[in-house]
Amino acid sequence: GDSVTQMEGPVTLSEEAFLTINCTYTATGYPSLFWYVQYPGEGLQLLLKATKADDKGSNKGFEATYRKETTSFHLEKGSVQVSDSAVYFCALSDPGSNYQLIWGAGTKLIIKP
Amino acid sequence: DSGVTQTPKHLITATGQRVTLRCSPRSGDLSVYWYQQSLDQGLQFLIHYYNGEERAKGNILERFSAQQFPDLHSELNLSSLELGDSALYFCASSVAQATGELFFGEGSRLTVL
Repeated sequence: GDSVTQMEGPVTLSEEAFLTINCTYTATGYPSLFWYVQYPGEGLQLLLKATKADDKGSNKGFEATYRKETTSFHLEKGSVQVSDSAVYFCALSDPGSNYQLIWGAGTKLIIKP
Repeated sequence: DSGVTQTPKHLITATGQRVTLRCSPRSGDLSVYWYQQSLDQGLQFLIHYYNGEERAKGNILERFSAQQFPDLHSELNLSSLELGDSALYFCASSVAQATGELFFGEGSRLTVL
């Protein structure tokens, strides 16, 4: 079945550091890929998405590129801020999963000033 | 503000009791999803309704049930509560039933003592 694997956290970085959170997937079809973010005490919110191979999703300085050849959708940001501290979830939606979102385990990001 | 409203925000109850969590989706959204988030941050899909009909079931316990009403609000009923049911319960909504773009409420935190 479909699955999403994220790097384990927590990931701790200093402010202005470069961020990468790895996400790889297994899918039977051609999934759409998503990154959601959960700030402390809040619900999840969609951060960015990509619907086909080589698409790049971007929002709030974050980027992720849909790589079909490596089945990956890594999240990157060039310079993180303390306010980026949150839990980040990678997810996919695919006909093989009846379009239900398949979620990664989440990666907690801690940014220190 | 996602536009999804969940009540109550916090709930403390005893083992063996029954509670009802309520969700009002964004205006115009026909799909409602329920998720459980445990302390270790993992997100567990429970159930999906679209325009009043059940569309998909995840790992929802038999002690749990849900429904979506004609006005599109949804309720999640949890009965014979156990200590392990303590978690955050999120509702999310979307316009369509085959989309990965969900809008989450702020959650209902359930504590079972």
